[in-house]
Formats: sequence, C-alpha cells, structure tokens
Amino acid sequence: GDSVTQMEGPVTLSEEAFLTINCTYTATGYPSLFWYVQYPGEGLQLLLKATKADDKGSNKGFEATYRKETTSFHLEKGSVQVSDSAVYFCALSDRGGGNKLTFGTGTQLKVEL
Amino acid sequence: GAGVSQSPRYKVAKRGQDVALRCDPISGHVSLFWYQQALGQGPEFLTYFQNEAQLDKSGLPSDRFFAERPEGSVSTLKIQRTQQEDSAVYLCASSSPGTGIYEQYFGPGTRLTVT
Repeated sequence: GDSVTQMEGPVTLSEEAFLTINCTYTATGYPSLFWYVQYPGEGLQLLLKATKADDKGSNKGFEATYRKETTSFHLEKGSVQVSDSAVYFCALSDRGGGNKLTFGTGTQLKVEL
Repeated sequence: GAGVSQSPRYKVAKRGQDVALRCDPISGHVSLFWYQQALGQGPEFLTYFQNEAQLDKSGLPSDRFFAERPEGSVSTLKIQRTQQEDSAVYLCASSSPGTGIYEQYFGPGTRLTVT
C-alpha cells in the first residue's frame, strides 16, 4: 500500500539557517504530494502541494519539488524564522484511493534565536 | 468563511463507555474525511464520505467504530465500548472539487482520552 517516510525530529536550527526535511514515498499510482504544517495549539494547515512529476510547490518561502525518479518531495527553506517552529507532515493522495491522505509521522522543527 | 469545526474539543471517557464526536464541515464541501492521530504520529485515515454516502471505511480499526453523515453535511464518529488504545486526536477534514486538487481542510480535532 501507499506509505510516506520522513526524517525523524526534532530538528533544531538557529534563525536564518537553511532547512531541509526529507520525505520519500511509495505509491501504486500517480499521487499528488503535500506538506502540511501544525503550529502549536492549532490544526493542520496545507503548506504546499504538487500534483505531477517535476512540479514545484511553494508557499511562505518553503519549497518542495516532486521527484518521481527518486520518489521524493523534500521540504526546503532558505532562511528559517522562530515563527516556523511547528510540526511538518509530508503526505500523499492517490487519486485511485478517493483522495484520502496518507501521512508521514511528522518532523518537529524548533527554531532558536 | 467558517472553517471545519469539531466538538467536543476534549473528551474523557471511562473504558467501556460509548462516545460520539461531531464534525461540521465547510458549507458546500461534498467530501468529508475522518482521521485518527495517535500521540507523536501522523494522522491515519479512518473513513470517507461523499455527500451522505460512505464510500470508504477501510481504515476503521474495528466494528466498534461507526461513522455517519445522514444529510450530507454534519458527520458523527461513534466509538462503542471505548478501549485505552482508542485514546488519540480524531481529525475531520472536508474538501470540494472546487478547491482544485481536492485540498482537504482540517478541523482542530477532538482529543479523546480513555481512562
């Protein structure tokens, strides 16, 4: 079945550091890929998405590129801020599965001054 | 407009009790999903409705779990004879074909603790 694997946290960075959170997936079809973010005390929010190979999703300075050849969707940001501290979830939606989401286990990011 | 709302936000149940969790999706959203999120884990799919039809219930962990959406809007997730392993956050999400690639909008969740 479908699955998502993402790097374990917590990841602790200094403000303005470069961020990479790795995500790889296994899917039988041609999934859409997502990054969701959960800020402390808040619900899950969609951060960015990509629907086909080589698409790049971007939002709030975050980027991720859909790499079919490596089955990856790594999240990157050039300069993190304290306000980016949150838990980040990589997810996929296999259209053949009714668009239900399959999530990774989440990566907690802590950004310090 | 209003987002997805869930009630109650917190529920404590004694083992063996029945609980009912409510989800109010975004108005007009035809698809509704329930997920279970254990502590420190990612959400896991439970069930999916399109309007009032339950099209996929493959993620429900046992026959103690039951979900309904009788009028195609509000949904209720019911757990009978709760067990300690049912302790988790239960998330509801809704989506619509009008939101592009069926982006799902999540509610704040109901944290269920079974003692």
